[in-house]
Amino acid sequence: EAQVTQNPRYLITVTGKKLTVTCSQNMNHEYMSWYRQDPGLGLRQIYYSMNVEVTDKGDVPEGYKVSRKEKRNFPLILESPSPNQTSLYFCASRGQALGSNQPQHFGDGTRLSIL
Amino acid sequence: KQEVTQIPAALSVPEGENLVLNCSFTDSAIYNLQWFRQDPGKGLTSLLLIQSSQREQTSGRLNASLDKSSGRSTLYIAASQPGDSATYLCAVPGGGGATNKLIFGTGTLLAVQP
Repeated sequence: EAQVTQNPRYLITVTGKKLTVTCSQNMNHEYMSWYRQDPGLGLRQIYYSMNVEVTDKGDVPEGYKVSRKEKRNFPLILESPSPNQTSLYFCASRGQALGSNQPQHFGDGTRLSIL
Repeated sequence: KQEVTQIPAALSVPEGENLVLNCSFTDSAIYNLQWFRQDPGKGLTSLLLIQSSQREQTSGRLNASLDKSSGRSTLYIAASQPGDSATYLCAVPGGGGATNKLIFGTGTLLAVQP
């Protein structure tokens, strides 16, 4: 079954404690992306990757890092989390990097609470 | 800068009604428009993707239309069921020809009453 899998699904942690949210897709997709969803602001892109070792900033990249060492994985790293990063996070993938007419597939989300 | 707006923000209807959800966008130079469904505690499920050359797409009880010139799309749900209760989001690829991100509306929360 085609899937985008995120872990953990829920996490409560404290300010400054480094954390990583993993994202894995089993569809051999080139393009992967991270979004955060906040009430009243909708979904906003954090980072995206067009292929292995190719990443770029989205609209709200501050405080986040990503890596794309393998095609299937695209982890989101919060080096020093702060309360304003409390949010619902989604990973997404699409078949081709420039496949503008291909749908994006989303994971089930990770709810992060930073105290 | 592309902006996407969805009206209404919330909608409650009795079971069996046909309903229309609206999505508008400011930059008509889009490649496509995608409708998603989001259930509480779940991710986004892609419902329909309409390419810029298409006027509408259908999937079961869902029909999505696209009018690029007026910057509008509608999602029509026929014979609504309680299982249709969810938040519905529309999204377009980033403006200026950028396809590396989606720009989302803030969604319509639909409640179908049994």
